Amino acid sequence: AQSVTQLGSHVSVSEGALVLLRCNYSSSVPPYLFWYVQYPNQGLQLLLKYTTGATLVKGINGFEAEFKKSETSFHLTKPSAHMSDAAEYFCAVSGGTSYGKLTFGQGTILTVHP
Amino acid sequence: ETGVTQSPTHLIKTRGQQVTLRCSSQSGHNTVSWYQQALGQGPQFIFQYYREEENGRGNFPPRFSGLQFPNYSSELNVNALELDDSALYLCASSLGGVLNTEAFFGQGTRLTVV
Repeated sequence: AQSVTQLGSHVSVSEGALVLLRCNYSSSVPPYLFWYVQYPNQGLQLLLKYTTGATLVKGINGFEAEFKKSETSFHLTKPSAHMSDAAEYFCAVSGGTSYGKLTFGQGTILTVHP
Repeated sequence: ETGVTQSPTHLIKTRGQQVTLRCSSQSGHNTVSWYQQALGQGPQFIFQYYREEENGRGNFPPRFSGLQFPNYSSELNVNALELDDSALYLCASSLGGVLNTEAFFGQGTRLTVV
């Protein structure tokens, strides 16, 4: 069984400020971890993923995330927020051989102020 | 933009009716997963089809059913619609049987049950 908890349903930052979106997971098997972004009235776009290997993962649009097994966390960061980053972000987990069966968190809405 | 297309984009149905949603998977992908995203929630896994066979199901009643065709496109059927079925239905395609596989999402079908 797997689960994902995203801490903070809404996060607000100023343009140029650090973005930190928190994700903790629970998995009975080695997890594959994902961050997706969803813009209004659109589907999900993959930002980055961790499967095996290097625990610091870099994704698109300047985002990165670090897999910390001891903390069961996979927080998403971006050094400098841009107005275009305003969207809803979802953390997701799958078991190693689940091949696309994702368990999502509740989502975090990111607002970026000028 | 992914190669996953869903139709229709919006749909309004009456309680008790039946609905069919369609998904064309990305070229080369043989696996389709369906998710339900209620307003303000993260997507929830409904079921997955791999090479025309159901390959896992989430916690959804039997009135949610599906098909996958030889060209790997897929349908989601919902019978006896209830008001709570109102949601964004997302289809994701991936390459089954491959580790580190990534799921690509379509734009979704917004279903409203009145």
